Amino acid sequence: DQQVKQNSPSLSVQEGRISILNCDYTNSMFDYFLWYKKYPAEGPTFLISISSIKDKNEDGRFTVFLNKSAKHLSLHIVPSQPGDSAVYFCAASAHNNAGNMLTFGGGTRLMVKP
Amino acid sequence: NAGVTQTPKFQVLKTGQSMTLQCAQDMNHNSMYWYRQDPGMGLRLIYYSASEGTTDKGEVPNGYNVSRLNKREFSLRLESAAPSQTSVYFCASSEYRDPNNSPLHFGNGTRLTVT
Repeated sequence: DQQVKQNSPSLSVQEGRISILNCDYTNSMFDYFLWYKKYPAEGPTFLISISSIKDKNEDGRFTVFLNKSAKHLSLHIVPSQPGDSAVYFCAASAHNNAGNMLTFGGGTRLMVKP
Repeated sequence: NAGVTQTPKFQVLKTGQSMTLQCAQDMNHNSMYWYRQDPGMGLRLIYYSASEGTTDKGEVPNGYNVSRLNKREFSLRLESAAPSQTSVYFCASSEYRDPNNSPLHFGNGTRLTVT
């Protein structure tokens, strides 16, 4: 059973509008969450993260919101740009992991239309 | 450019054949990882090496072996390839084990097809 789920396989947004990507998790031991972005034929790259002691983290056009009671996090991109078109992976980590063991969601493909 | 380099980029194997995927990083990172990516499944950890000289199993280690050759290099071996191992394989590295301080840096992947 997947502990991190991204229920929307794809999302299409108009340039300049807001993109909202969602992620749900089931393991209450997760205490650190990350978003990675992946372009075709490239490896994922780190985008933004949030600790469970916070409910919001912002970096330029990207904001991640965490709702611990709902075990839900979301990534907001405002304004969306065509270069944001990529697959976005949500990932989670538990503090007692033996290593840097991230559990990834299945990914959401974002398409930003000009 | 500094980063994680994987070879080969593409490979086709017949069932039962063996091969080694190579990975090297030049960022002086301590930890290295092998993930596989399958449609709808995200990335799943196969093996990792928290530091030079150590390796540990991840979520899906069956059918694979790894070698941390030195601080820079971490290889993944398939001894007897099976069609279920058809996937895209990513190597990654991080400076520390703790993801709070040390995001993963990924290579560009190896696309493996087993027929």
